[in-house]
Amino acid sequence: EEQVVESGGGLVKPGGSLRLSCAASEFYLGSYTMNWVRQAPGGGLEWVSSLSKTNLYIYHADSVKGRFTISRDNAKNSVYLQMNDLRVEDTAVYYCVRDGTRGYEFDLWGQGTLVTVSS
Amino acid sequence: QSALTQPPSASGSPGQSVTISCTGTSSDVGGYNFVSWYQQHPGKAPRLMIYEVDKRPSGVPDRFSASKSGNTASLTVSGLQAEDEADYYCSSYGGINNYIAFGGGTTLTVL
Repeated sequence: EEQVVESGGGLVKPGGSLRLSCAASEFYLGSYTMNWVRQAPGGGLEWVSSLSKTNLYIYHADSVKGRFTISRDNAKNSVYLQMNDLRVEDTAVYYCVRDGTRGYEFDLWGQGTLVTVSS
Repeated sequence: QSALTQPPSASGSPGQSVTISCTGTSSDVGGYNFVSWYQQHPGKAPRLMIYEVDKRPSGVPDRFSASKSGNTASLTVSGLQAEDEADYYCSSYGGINNYIAFGGGTTLTVL
């Protein structure tokens, strides 16, 4: 069964850094655009970052631009989200999400990893 | 990036139909046929229900249908069942300056 599994969440102080990892199984992550989507406690979904399968196109939401960086290691079948200068408002469950091959739809979601930014 | 507008709640009785709207602009919903809908049960990850405005992935019941008119997309759930009670989110591609926008979500209650 195809799946993605996130790791690396935890408690961090404002201004700190964290690196999230997402490991794919039963499919080759390098053939897909990969994304991170977050959900604040009790809140809605917010797209965070996207990385094209060619690695040529990288997009970040305005709310994280300049602080977060998405990357991938195809050899490890993994994608990452480096989060710097974390703010309280970055507190959320972060989902690793595969972009389907049809049209900007998110067809495979992980179970998420919780990032809590608090002093 | 701006969020798409959804009603916060919707409800219907078992067997009835309910429609959830998702309003954007000509820069997202109205400009591209890349509207998707997601279902999320409490404590679970979202699930893709509709892509490219009106297409259902395999495994999604045909009780779920969707459409778009101008800047507004709609999801209709027919023959409501208890298991349809969940949060529903729309999303749309918005070009390179607003890559993916989500709606604020609609909580569907089956009465």
